[in-house]
Amino acid sequence: QVQLQESGPGLVKPSQTLSLTCSVSGGYITTGGYYWSWIRQYPGKGLEWIGHIYYSGSTFYNPSLESRVTISVDTSQNQFSLNLTSMTAADTAIYYCTRVRVRRVIIFDYWGQGTPVTVSS
Amino acid sequence: EIVLTQSPGTLSLSPGERATLSCRASQSLTNTYIAWYQQKPGQSPRLLIYGESSRATGIPDRFSGSGSGTDFTLTITRLEPEDFAVYYCQQYDTSPWTFGQGTKVEIK
Repeated sequence: QVQLQESGPGLVKPSQTLSLTCSVSGGYITTGGYYWSWIRQYPGKGLEWIGHIYYSGSTFYNPSLESRVTISVDTSQNQFSLNLTSMTAADTAIYYCTRVRVRRVIIFDYWGQGTPVTVSS
Repeated sequence: EIVLTQSPGTLSLSPGERATLSCRASQSLTNTYIAWYQQKPGQSPRLLIYGESSRATGIPDRFSGSGSGTDFTLTITRLEPEDFAVYYCQQYDTSPWTFGQGTKVEIK
C-alpha cells in the first residue's frame, strides 16, 4: 500500500519561503497514471488544491498560487517537494501530500498524515 | 473556478438512520466528475466515492453517490458508529480542482 509522509518546518516567518518534502513508500513515484499533489487545509477546515507533478516533471498549479509555487520531483529518492514563496499568515494551514489518480478521473486516493505550518514572526 | 456548496453544514442523526448529503456546483459539470471524501478528527481525508458511484478500495456498499449537472448527493444508507465524520465533495470537471466546505455528520 502506498504511504506518503510530509516533512518540513512547522513554523515559517512572514515573507519567507516554505519548503516541504513528501517521501513516498510502498510504490514508485514513476508509476504511470499517477500524479503527485499538494493540498492544504485551512484552520476553518476548507481544502485547497495547490498543484501536482508527474514523474517526468510536468506540473499543474492552482492559478491562485501559481506565481508563488514550485513543485519538483526527485525520482531517485522517490520524493517530491513544495516551495511556496512570500508566506503570509493566510498561508497557515495543514499541508498534505497526496497521490492523484488521473486515468479518466482526477482524484486524491492516498494522503499523507499532513504537516501543520504556521506563519508567524 | 467552480464553487461547490455543501448542505447542510451539520447533520444530526442516529446510528442506523439514512444520511443524505448535498453538493451543489456553481456551474454544470460535463459528467459526474465528483468525488467524496471522509475526514475524521485528527486524520487525513479518505477517498470514498468518485464518478457515477465508484467506491474506493475498502469502502462498504452503504456509501453511494448520485447526481448530475449541478446537484450531487452522497447517501449513507444505514449509519454505523464509524461513519460520524466530516464529508467533502470535490469536482474534477474543470481546473482548478475544488472542494466543498464540508458537511459534518454528528451523533444525535
